[in-house]
Amino acid sequence: KQEVTQIPAALSVPEGENLVLNCSFTDSAIYNLQWFRQDPGKGLTSLLLIQSSQREQTSGRLNASLDKSSGRSTLYIAASQPGDSATYLCAVITTGTASKLTFGTGTRLQVTL
Amino acid sequence: GAVVSQHPSWVICKSGTSVKIECRSLDFQATTMFWYRQFPKQSLMLMATSNEGSKATYEQGVEKDKFLINHASLTLSTLTVTSAHPEDSSFYICSARGTTSTDTQYFGPGTRLTVL
Repeated sequence: KQEVTQIPAALSVPEGENLVLNCSFTDSAIYNLQWFRQDPGKGLTSLLLIQSSQREQTSGRLNASLDKSSGRSTLYIAASQPGDSATYLCAVITTGTASKLTFGTGTRLQVTL
Repeated sequence: GAVVSQHPSWVICKSGTSVKIECRSLDFQATTMFWYRQFPKQSLMLMATSNEGSKATYEQGVEKDKFLINHASLTLSTLTVTSAHPEDSSFYICSARGTTSTDTQYFGPGTRLTVL
């Protein structure tokens, strides 16, 4: 059974810092991996989607990398801003699971002024 | 981008009553919709997968008689929590996948259910 873990569980950084969020998964037979953002009490916003054949994806200040063989992904946020404060979730679709997303435990990010 | 709505956004009900939550894809046809539950400070857990016109597939440990799912059209799925109890209080989120995409799920804004 696929298990997705995110480290750290919570992170507080001052504005302007670059930061890295980590995601690991136990079954490397994935179809793709996604990073989401969730604001308190809200739904999910998709940030980046990496197909299993890709190594990374970039969108603005966000860069996500994928090392499928080692079961790891990182989300790099450059020049963090208070508006980046949210919970970040990674999720994978494991091959042969009919496109079901398995979510990680999340990293709660606080960017302070 | 594709938009998914949920109604209501929050609901408070008495123990023993039933609550229906709607999930709509507003600008695309969704052959498959997913229902998730999220407890405070925890991640999303898939409850069931529903395909338009057929019975939902429930994840292990989810009671199908308690959480009734109907996906009667390509734009609407409903989740009914029957005889709700305080332990059913949670954040329920749906997602929808279009007919032409096998990769992308679009998520609704969620429904906060509080059972007194």
